[in-house]
Amino acid sequence: SQELEQSPQSLIVQEGKNLTINCTSSKTLYGLYWYKQKYGEGLIFLMMLQKGGEEKSHEKITAKLDEKKQQSSLHITASQPSHAGIYLCGAPGGGTSYGKLTFGQGTILTVHP
Amino acid sequence: GAGVSQSPSNKVTEKGKDVELRCDPISGHTALYWYRQSLGQGLEFLIYFQGNSAPDKSGLPSDRFSAERTGGSVSTLTIQRTQQEDSAVYLCASSFLPKKNQPQHFGDGTRLSIL
Repeated sequence: SQELEQSPQSLIVQEGKNLTINCTSSKTLYGLYWYKQKYGEGLIFLMMLQKGGEEKSHEKITAKLDEKKQQSSLHITASQPSHAGIYLCGAPGGGTSYGKLTFGQGTILTVHP
Repeated sequence: GAGVSQSPSNKVTEKGKDVELRCDPISGHTALYWYRQSLGQGLEFLIYFQGNSAPDKSGLPSDRFSAERTGGSVSTLTIQRTQQEDSAVYLCASSFLPKKNQPQHFGDGTRLSIL
């Protein structure tokens, strides 16, 4: 079965700093989703990457997909306290299993004002 | 509201009892998913329904777990004879058909505690 490894597991930064979270898959990636979760709440969809080399941005968050390395990175520029939360990467299965997402263990981000 | 709605938001029950968790997907979404999130296991896939096709039940951990989706909309996840290891947050998500350009949108979950 596919496994997703996120690094780092937790991250504490000062407001205004840039940061990167990585997600590495043990198997071929057929796409990659990034979600954010706050404690006690559901997952908020951030971005979806479908093709190797694809890069997407939303406000100060940029995500890239490297299919050859089976890896994705999420970069936050000039972090703010509102960016704090748990970031999760999720990968769909192949073929008819596309709806089954496997998730990484999450990266806990703390941003100090 | 326009999002995925789950009820109850919290459920506390005694070991051995049956529980039912409800999910109301986003209107028009044809695919519905159940996941479980716990400290030890992270976020795990349980089951998904896509349109009128047979559901993919490959993630259900035991035959005590079952789910149904009536009328292609609301879904109920049932856990029979609950055990303490069933304590977790149960998350529901929905999307248009699970194709490459359709993200899953999640509800806030039901926090289940088994005493």
